Amino acid sequence: SQQGEEDPQALSIQEGENATMNCSYKTSINNLQWYRQNSGRGLVHLILIRSNEREKHSGRLRVTLDTSKKSSSLLITASRAADTASYFCATVLGNQFYFGTGTSLTVIP
Amino acid sequence: EAGVAQSPRYKIIEKRQSVAFWCNPISGHATLYWYQQILGQGPKLLIQFQNNGVVDDSQLPKDRFSAERLKGVDSTLKIQPAKLEDSAVYLCASSLMAGPYEQYFGPGTRLTVT
Repeated sequence: SQQGEEDPQALSIQEGENATMNCSYKTSINNLQWYRQNSGRGLVHLILIRSNEREKHSGRLRVTLDTSKKSSSLLITASRAADTASYFCATVLGNQFYFGTGTSLTVIP
Repeated sequence: EAGVAQSPRYKIIEKRQSVAFWCNPISGHATLYWYQQILGQGPKLLIQFQNNGVVDDSQLPKDRFSAERLKGVDSTLKIQPAKLEDSAVYLCASSLMAGPYEQYFGPGTRLTVT
């Protein structure tokens, strides 16, 4: 299966700390995307990194991609209580989107 | 810009009953997706439309699930008859076109089958 797998499954940190979550996948990709899902809501796109890129930044988000290891990481710096959500990676090849199993992040105020 | 709209937000039905979900994508978005998200899991693609044509329905349980996108805008997803294992959130998403582009998601419909 192409589906990515995130780890850890759950992460709990104090406000102000950094949060890192990882995504591993199995086959080739065109790009990899990260999404956030607040409880009871739909997914919101955070950042897209192409297969020929190694690192990308957006505000407090930093994404890395290592295609040789078939893995990506999402770093959220200076976390806030509002960052509490589930985070999913999506591997994309052509028209195919495969979402991972998600990391549940809790930021304690 | 209005987002992706879905209705209803919640639905409770008994097994073997039928149910339908509605989705209105962002205006101008050619591609529409239906996902099934079981509690604690990531979304699983059920069907993808490009305008009113089906691009991918390989994971749609066609014996009980059907979907259509008339006139290339709104879409409906139907389940008939429902099973207990269909309990999930059904998410609709749209993107400007098919391919490796970001998707915009609606709030989802939470279905409970008893």
